[in-house]
Amino acid sequence: GDSVTQMEGPVTLSEEAFLTINCTYTATGYPSLFWYVQYPGEGLQLLLKATKADDKGSNKGFEATYRKETTSFHLEKGSVQVSDSAVYFCALRPYGNNRLAFGKGNQVVVIP
Amino acid sequence: GAVVSQHPSWVICKSGTSVKIECRSLDFQATTMFWYRQFPKQSLMLMATSNEGSKATYEQGVEKDKFLINHASLTLSTLTVTSAHPEDSSFYICSAQENRDGNSPLHFGNGTRLTVT
Repeated sequence: GDSVTQMEGPVTLSEEAFLTINCTYTATGYPSLFWYVQYPGEGLQLLLKATKADDKGSNKGFEATYRKETTSFHLEKGSVQVSDSAVYFCALRPYGNNRLAFGKGNQVVVIP
Repeated sequence: GAVVSQHPSWVICKSGTSVKIECRSLDFQATTMFWYRQFPKQSLMLMATSNEGSKATYEQGVEKDKFLINHASLTLSTLTVTSAHPEDSSFYICSAQENRDGNSPLHFGNGTRLTVT
């Protein structure tokens, strides 16, 4: 079935450092790909999305490119802030329905 | 923007009692709502898909008699955890789909932290 794999473990980095969170997927057909962010004590918020190959989603300085050849959707930000500390989930949506498949999430901690 | 309100945000109950969680779409009609469960440091696991006016569709391994879902109107779905046990303690999150198109935006509630003592 469709699945999403995120890199293991939390990510701790200093303010203004470069952030990368890896995400790869397995799916049939042409899924849409998403990154969601969950701040402490809150629900999920859509961060960015891409609906077809080679699309680049971007928001709040974060970017991710839908790479069909490598089945990846890695999240990047050039200079993180303390306020970016949160859990980041990569997700896949099969075409035509909203039954999202989520990765395990990565806790990101940005130290001043 | 579209808002999904989930209530309560946290609840503590005794083992054996039932707890109801509400999920409301505040400024749009949600024909379909989804209920997820999130264990600590784990991903969200889809429990069931709730369609207005019909029975919910449960994912494999989810007990429908234990997790009762009612979607009586286009703006409200409820999840009732019946005869709760400590292993039901978890973070429950709902999401709502704006229209019948499976590609339409999804909006998430802020979640409910359930602790069963």
